[in-house]
Amino acid sequence: EAQVTQNPRYLITVTGKKLTVTCSQNMNHEYMSWYRQDPGLGLRQIYYSMNVEVTDKGDVPEGYKVSRKEKRNFPLILESPSPNQTSLYFCASSLWGRGSTNEKLFFGSGTQLSVL
Amino acid sequence: QKEVEQDPGPLSVPEGAIVSLNCTYSNSAFQYFMWYRQYSRKGPELLMYTYSSGNKEDGRFTAQVDKSSKYISLFIRDSQPSDSATYLCAMSFSVRQLTFGSGTQLTVLP
Repeated sequence: EAQVTQNPRYLITVTGKKLTVTCSQNMNHEYMSWYRQDPGLGLRQIYYSMNVEVTDKGDVPEGYKVSRKEKRNFPLILESPSPNQTSLYFCASSLWGRGSTNEKLFFGSGTQLSVL
Repeated sequence: QKEVEQDPGPLSVPEGAIVSLNCTYSNSAFQYFMWYRQYSRKGPELLMYTYSSGNKEDGRFTAQVDKSSKYISLFIRDSQPSDSATYLCAMSFSVRQLTFGSGTQLTVLP
């Protein structure tokens, strides 16, 4: 089954404790992206990657890191989480990057992060 | 001012009603317009995609884009309880970044 898999689904942590949210897709997509979703603010892009070893900042990159060492994986790293990073996080992937403009984003099921 | 404005609702309608969901935007460079549907505790899924101005129909769903007014709409005919979800508009001027609205929560009552 084609899917984007995020882990964990729920995560509670404390301020300053480094954490990683994993994201993996099995569709051979070149484009991957991370979003956070907050009430009243909608989905905001954190980072995106057009291909292996190619990453770029989205609208709200502060406090986050990403890496794209393999095509299928795009982990999100919070080196020193703070309470304002409490949010619902989504990973997404797409075939975008091959010149097609009509490729939909496939989203994972989300990771609810609480930073105390 | 946000680049994309969307009424958050909540919107409650009886089964069978016609639903109209709307977004306005300020960036005239946007040329790709989408509607995503998000069920509770799930990731968004693409519902409709439109390039530039015009209408697009898919079953009970119709998407309209009016670039001159910077206004997009999603119409749902014969709404069903299974349509109850949050609907997010999204738009972009390049393939790399989408700008999402904040979402409208819709409930269709049986």
